[in-house]
Amino acid sequence: AQSVTQLGSHVSVSEGALVLLRCNYSSSVPPYLFWYVQYPNQGLQLLLKYTTGATLVKGINGFEAEFKKSETSFHLTKPSAHMSDAAEYFCAVRFSGGYQKVTFGTGTKLQVIP
Amino acid sequence: DVKVTQSSRYLVKRTGEKVFLECVQDMDHENMFWYRQDPGLGLRLIYFSYDVKMKEKGDIPEGYSVSREKKERFSLILESASTNQTSMYLCASSSHSDRVVGNTIYFGEGSWLTVV
Repeated sequence: AQSVTQLGSHVSVSEGALVLLRCNYSSSVPPYLFWYVQYPNQGLQLLLKYTTGATLVKGINGFEAEFKKSETSFHLTKPSAHMSDAAEYFCAVRFSGGYQKVTFGTGTKLQVIP
Repeated sequence: DVKVTQSSRYLVKRTGEKVFLECVQDMDHENMFWYRQDPGLGLRLIYFSYDVKMKEKGDIPEGYSVSREKKERFSLILESASTNQTSMYLCASSSHSDRVVGNTIYFGEGSWLTVV
């Protein structure tokens, strides 16, 4: 079955440290991949997405993600965490054949420690 | 900017009540969605609609129905609310452009529903 998995429901990093949030999917065909961020008491907003082309994708707020087909992964990174990055992050996947349907991971809450 | 507006941020309803959650988008998007968000479960798709009067079941449609009479408006209906439907409900929309297969989903701010 097609699925998306986020490793770690909670991640803590120190301010200024590297942020790494992991996302893996299971599919025989490369899907379309997204990262969304949700700040407290708000809806989700798009950070970045991969559809085709360059496998390293840059998004807003200094985040980037790399699509690795061989590892079926789409991990989110940021070189230096800011306090304002504290939020919940969702990996999402649109599998081929899924008519406009996007499957979300269970989310990772990022805590940034001063 | 795309704006998806959910009519109520916070609602408290009694078990057995009929509940309407309303959503309006202003970008002429063809697709609209209702998700439910619960801790540890992420977002789960309840229903979606790709055109007026069209609807498709998502992953957890039981206990819910939807209505799309106008392109900009998508309503979620709980016919008889139960305590296990206490949750955050998120409405979203996206464009059905053939040129943008990885098109972005835009979300509303969410509606917190408590059923007592």
